[in-house]
Amino acid sequence: DVKVTQSSRYLVKRTGEKVFLECVQDMDHENMFWYRQDPGLGLRLIYFSYDVKMKEKGDIPEGYSVSREKKERFSLILESASTNQTSMYLCASSLDSPSYEQYFGPGTRLTVT
Amino acid sequence: KNQVEQSPQSLIILEGKNCTLQCNYTVSPFSNLRWYKQDTGRGPVSLTIMTFSENTKSNGRYTATLDADTKQSSLHITASQLSDSASYICVVRSTSGTYKYIFGTGTRLKVLA
Repeated sequence: DVKVTQSSRYLVKRTGEKVFLECVQDMDHENMFWYRQDPGLGLRLIYFSYDVKMKEKGDIPEGYSVSREKKERFSLILESASTNQTSMYLCASSLDSPSYEQYFGPGTRLTVT
Repeated sequence: KNQVEQSPQSLIILEGKNCTLQCNYTVSPFSNLRWYKQDTGRGPVSLTIMTFSENTKSNGRYTATLDADTKQSSLHITASQLSDSASYICVVRSTSGTYKYIFGTGTRLKVLA
């Protein structure tokens, strides 16, 4: 079974803190994604990566950066957390094929106070 | 603008009853459409995928249909169970660009005993 794991299920941080969210997949997938999910808005793409050290901005990259030093690991970084970044963060991975599904991690619910 | 709209936003049914969820999209060019089930506090899990040439796909008690001419899809759940209580998300993959998944905002289904 494909497994996508995220480092934390719940996280509480203070405004201005630097926050790291880690995602690891065990299926040698080329593509990895970071989304945020907010009520009534659906999933919105923050960043995705199609190879090691390669990344592209998604629809809402402002305030975020990413790192992919190894194929299996994709990190999302909030340089200076703000309250409007309180959200559910979902990581996903897939093979590089349009018909191949995205496999999602369990999510990290981040609260910024 | 590429969009995916789902209806209803929420639905409550009694255990054992059937229900149908709707998804309308304006995504072009179209590659495939996938339905995901997302349990509360979890990541989405794929139920079905359909390409342009497929008009129905089943997965147990879940049956998805696709009308590519009218750009509509539906997810029919037969003989609902309490475990069907979840959000159901319609996702359309476009062939334009390196990557493009467009997510609907989901239908929240609650099945009552």
